[in-house]
Amino acid sequence: DAGVIQSPRHEVTEMGQEVTLRCKLISGHNSLFWYRQTMMRGLELLIYFNNNVPIDDSGMPEDRFSAKMPNASFSTLKIQPSEPRDSAVYFCASSLRDRNSPLHFGNGTRLTVT
Amino acid sequence: DAKTTQPPSMDCAEGRAANLPCNHSTISGNEYVYWYRQIHSQGPQYIIHGLKNNETNEMASLIITEDRKSSTLILPHATLRDTAVYYCIVRVAGSYGGATNKLIFGTGTLLAVQP
Repeated sequence: DAGVIQSPRHEVTEMGQEVTLRCKLISGHNSLFWYRQTMMRGLELLIYFNNNVPIDDSGMPEDRFSAKMPNASFSTLKIQPSEPRDSAVYFCASSLRDRNSPLHFGNGTRLTVT
Repeated sequence: DAKTTQPPSMDCAEGRAANLPCNHSTISGNEYVYWYRQIHSQGPQYIIHGLKNNETNEMASLIITEDRKSSTLILPHATLRDTAVYYCIVRVAGSYGGATNKLIFGTGTLLAVQP
């Protein structure tokens, strides 16, 4: 079991550029969560999916952010256009969609927008 | 989901038990207590969870008070590698097919294990 795999580990980009973060779920998991972590705000839930369907996107900060699951094992989080205040570590996590299944997190993507 | 209160930081001597407290005085009957930890530069890691009975696994023990208003995570023999931020979270039990399996993190407790 390779665990949740995120790429890239680090991303540095200029303000206004499009950024795409990628996440591969653990095989067999059917819930997917995107979190963002900053010193000021801690770990924030952005959006989560069950069986490829977005369930709660109330944490997505603005329309510049979008997330998709093109298939059951893969997800992308896109920021377009990026801004310096988007700088953070972005984590994805997956779990089974059953009672109390724990979340398994990837090691995150550190995004820096200059 | 109910809120939790944890001390911002704690120290523990290597080899001794680390006891991390958490208050969740507004917890509802169908909310579980979860513990995760985050080691520097890594994603959060699941430790243990429970409803009302004490729980133990290979990583830790979870003691929940009878009124369920507080709990304690116990690392029986802390090592330097246990230095991390520990998060206590209460979470509504997700029914099969339900959509309530999200986790909301607070600020946690920074546990520093000293040599």
